[in-house]
Amino acid sequence: NAGVMQNPRHLVRRRGQEARLRCSPMKGHSHVYWYRQLPEEGLKFMVYLQKENIIDESGMPKERFSAEFPKEGPSILRIQQVVRGDSAAYFCASSPSGGRADTQYFGPGTRLTVL
Amino acid sequence: AQTVTQSQPEMSVQEAETVTLSCTYDTSENNYYLFWYKQPPSRQMILVIRQEAYKQQNATENRFSVNFQKAAKSFSLKISDSQLGDTAMYFCAFPPNTGNQFYFGTGTSLTVIP
Repeated sequence: NAGVMQNPRHLVRRRGQEARLRCSPMKGHSHVYWYRQLPEEGLKFMVYLQKENIIDESGMPKERFSAEFPKEGPSILRIQQVVRGDSAAYFCASSPSGGRADTQYFGPGTRLTVL
Repeated sequence: AQTVTQSQPEMSVQEAETVTLSCTYDTSENNYYLFWYKQPPSRQMILVIRQEAYKQQNATENRFSVNFQKAAKSFSLKISDSQLGDTAMYFCAFPPNTGNQFYFGTGTSLTVIP
């Protein structure tokens, strides 16, 4: 059973460009979470999605960031007009039912570097 | 407010020895779950162990066990017979009943010395 997959693993963008990060959840999982990890810090929640729905985006910056999880295909975290402060590791996790008892299984992360 | 605190930024242990990583959390909930994740140099987040608060028995997974003290809101991870592959960042995580995310501590960097 393949784990959570994220691509690309490394992404370099210049200031002002767009970054698109992809996440394919584990087979059978329909709940996806995005987290951001700044250097020397723990993971911070950004957004929680189910298929075609954003359930909780309380951790998402109000501007430039958006996320989707379409009926077909991976979940996408999109960052428009990137700035240096967006440089971080972005992790996706998935769970089978979204309940608080669920273990969240993490992907390998995408390391975004903004030049 | 839900918080998770790991007070040991760095620790080291000799190979084959035992080490304990501490974690405390703050919650007013009675039933909840606690997790330890490991992040090796590859940066992949790997589940180490999970504890259910309503269970009295401490969770155990091979060389990994927890010391869960509910009244003290403490959730320590004990690693026995440490191996070089245990070298990693270890994060304690707590998913509150409200909201959908995990709250993570700031991590403990563990180095196993040969």
